[in-house]
This record gives sequence, structure tokens and C-alpha cells, in this order.
Amino acid sequence: EPEVTQTPSHQVTQMGQEVILRCVPISNHLYFYWYRQILGQKVEFLVSFYNNEISEKSEIFDDQFSVERPDGSNFTLKIRSTKLEDSAMYFCASSQTSGGGNEQFFGPGTRLTVL
Amino acid sequence: AQSVAQPEDQVNVAEGNPLTVKCTYSVSGNPYLFWYVQYPNRGLQFLLKYITGDNLVKGSYGFEAEFNKSQTSFHLKKPSALVSDSALYFCAVRDTGFQKLVFGTGTRLLVSP
Repeated sequence: EPEVTQTPSHQVTQMGQEVILRCVPISNHLYFYWYRQILGQKVEFLVSFYNNEISEKSEIFDDQFSVERPDGSNFTLKIRSTKLEDSAMYFCASSQTSGGGNEQFFGPGTRLTVL
Repeated sequence: AQSVAQPEDQVNVAEGNPLTVKCTYSVSGNPYLFWYVQYPNRGLQFLLKYITGDNLVKGSYGFEAEFNKSQTSFHLKKPSALVSDSALYFCAVRDTGFQKLVFGTGTRLLVSP
């Protein structure tokens, strides 16, 4: 069964450094998403991406964040200058369409630790 | 604004007994409702969804959920729990016109042998 994959599984970085989290969505999916889950808190939406453009973003997704689909398979989240509070589990997801009832399929997550 | 409430941090049930994990929601338009399960060190796994139609929806692993519009609830149920059902369960809602899923805080289900 096709699945969303994410690399790395765990990333440790120093405050102020740039990080890039990578995702390979399911191959025939057209909509891509990033969510994060700070330890002990709920899963929060960051951004959705379609046709090489951001289609929706939350207030968390400020200028420090960017997303890109550099080729036909990868979808990346970049944090330009990491802060301690960026430490979280980051989940990538994808869906075939953006229709309200279309489920999103999630990857296993990347645990980001900012020291 | 969309929101989801899962009032129970943890639900304990004995194997073989029925289980219910509660979820209530708030949206401005028509809700699209989802349940996801998270096993340790794994991502969120889709269980089932409600879009429209029959209020009782069936999903993976014998789970089902009942949509109740008047009570704005979407409780997850299973007639007979298994120890392997022990995991973290998330309810999520998507409002009309939005792409984002809004999640509840999660409910840990512990099924004892």
C-alpha cells in the first residue's frame, strides 16, 4: 500500500540554524500539507500546497517557514532560523484532492529538536 | 472558527467489552469529520470519515462512528475491544471551504487483557 515517507526521522539542530525536512507524498496525490505536534499538545496545521503554490496557511507559518516541491516527488519544509519553540514532531500529509471529505494520509513524522 | 473537543484524556476498557471515545466539534459550515489513530513512533493513520448520508460510518479494524448533528458529536465506537487497539486516537474536523484539518487533543485508549 502506498504511503507517505519522511526523512530524517529525528533531526537535532542548534538554535538559529536552518533545517530542511523532507517528505515524499503518495505518488498520485496533488495536495500536500505540513502539520506539527509540540510534545503533549494537539496536532496543528501549518500549510497546504497545491500546483506549486501555498493554498492555505496558519498563523504559525510565518516568514521563518517556507515550502517547496523541488522535483516531481519531494515536498520540503524549511525553517530558516530555528528557535527553541520549533521543537516538535513535524508531519507531512497528502491527499488526492482538496475536497472536504477527502482524507489526508500522514507520514511517520520527523522529530525536530532545537538546542 | 473550527474546533474539536475530546473530553477524555484516557479511556480504559477491558478486552472484549465495547468502547466509546468521545468527540464534539464546532464549525460554521457543513462538517467533514475524521478519526485517526496513532501508534507509538508512528504517524497518524486514517480510520474513518463522515461526509454526508448515513449517520453511522464504518471504518478500519472494526471501528465505527456515529454522527449526531443536534449534539455536534462524532463518537468513535467498537463493539468488542482488543488489546491491540491500545493507542492514541484523534478526532478531526474540516470545515467547508477549508483544507486544513483541526484536531482534538487526543484520547489515549488502554485495553486491558
